[in-house]
Amino acid sequence: DTGVSQDPRHKITKRGQNVTFRCDPISEHNRLYWYRQTLGQGPEFLTYFQNEAQLEKSRLLSDRFSAERPKGSFSTLEIQRTEQGDSAMYLCASSYKDTEAFFGQGTRLTVV
Amino acid sequence: KNQVEQSPQSLIILEGKNCTLQCNYTVSPFSNLRWYKQDTGRGPVSLTIMTFSENTKSNGRYTATLDADTKQSSLHITASQLSDSASYICVVRRESGGGADGLTFGKGTHLIIQP
Repeated sequence: DTGVSQDPRHKITKRGQNVTFRCDPISEHNRLYWYRQTLGQGPEFLTYFQNEAQLEKSRLLSDRFSAERPKGSFSTLEIQRTEQGDSAMYLCASSYKDTEAFFGQGTRLTVV
Repeated sequence: KNQVEQSPQSLIILEGKNCTLQCNYTVSPFSNLRWYKQDTGRGPVSLTIMTFSENTKSNGRYTATLDADTKQSSLHITASQLSDSASYICVVRRESGGGADGLTFGKGTHLIIQP
């Protein structure tokens, strides 16, 4: 499968725990994006990488959130001290420059 | 402020019927507009892209229109099928230089096709 891959697909965690999600973009894509989507809403931009550089972070990305893309390939999104309000679908997308962004299947996080 | 508004919020139609979804935007400067289909629990998948010079584009039973003057787009679905049940999201890209991803997402129209 050469699409965008996200792992895990589902994650249930207790409030206060840390979680980490992984995204593997399409191999030749230099841009990688993270979005958060809650029920009935469109995706909201969280952060964006061009190669290994994190170029912009939304103010939605609080200090508890951190994202990395150490070698310009896969990326991880970590949420520390999870809160119930963090429950959402976390979508990763990749693109080559400004061409079409392809989305992964998402990681659905439930904080109980 | 760059915004994308979609209507209706939700729609229920019978299988075989046609429907039209609307998207109004204020994103500027405009680069392109995409319609995505998002099945429940899955990531969005692009259906069609519209650039400034394009008025209409078809992809099978999906036909998108764009009026760049009024900043409106529509997605028409012909002879709906049960598999068309999904959320349809309008996404507008602005020209580079205004921010990282340059994308503004609508909230989507939730379409349900009933047998």
